Amino acid sequence: QQQVKQSPQSLIVQKGGISIINCAYENTAFDYFPWYQQFPGKGPALLIAIRPDVSEKKEGRFTISFNKSAKQFSLHIMDSQPGDSATYFCAASEGFGSQGNLIFGKGTKLSVKP
Amino acid sequence: GAGVSQSPSNKVTEKGKDVELRCDPISGHTALYWYRQSLGQGLEFLIYFQGNSAPDKSGLPSDRFSAERTGGSVSTLTIQRTQQEDSAVYLCASSVGQGSYGYTFGSGTRLTVV
Repeated sequence: QQQVKQSPQSLIVQKGGISIINCAYENTAFDYFPWYQQFPGKGPALLIAIRPDVSEKKEGRFTISFNKSAKQFSLHIMDSQPGDSATYFCAASEGFGSQGNLIFGKGTKLSVKP
Repeated sequence: GAGVSQSPSNKVTEKGKDVELRCDPISGHTALYWYRQSLGQGLEFLIYFQGNSAPDKSGLPSDRFSAERTGGSVSTLTIQRTQQEDSAVYLCASSVGQGSYGYTFGSGTRLTVV
């Protein structure tokens, strides 16, 4: 399986700050890039996703930036809040027409300090 | 149901025993995925079902692992002769169809082998 590399492993941000998590991929056939948020004891929940035909997607305080030529994408959390403290996973798949198997990064544990 | 349901939520078993983990996907979701999440690791793909068929078993770590799905609904992941390295959270996800965007995950079964 092609890897998705995620960084940093952990991140501490002050309330109101910007949290940035980065991912890089290898497989140019990937065409769907979601981010998942996971709270302790819960399964991951889809947060936001992007396809490579756009360079940016914004939903509320969450933005995905996508750089197709660099094969990188990132999650930006604006005005970070203590309630955003969770583990975030980036993922990628070949999407439509494939079996939809997602390849996940290893996760970033975000702590937002009040 | 409203979400993906997994049972049991926690399972402690002795080394060498067999265990069965159950997943009830969202009604009408034809695609079902099993992942394993070890401490501090990302999500490792195990197996994918489309209906009752498993076209991709490539992620099963050994022949001690097997899975089935019946009636296009409930799936069972069986681990025979459990080993301590099998200790992990086993997550199930379902989606509307093959290659669909966005899984819905269950809360997982935390398996501890002692």
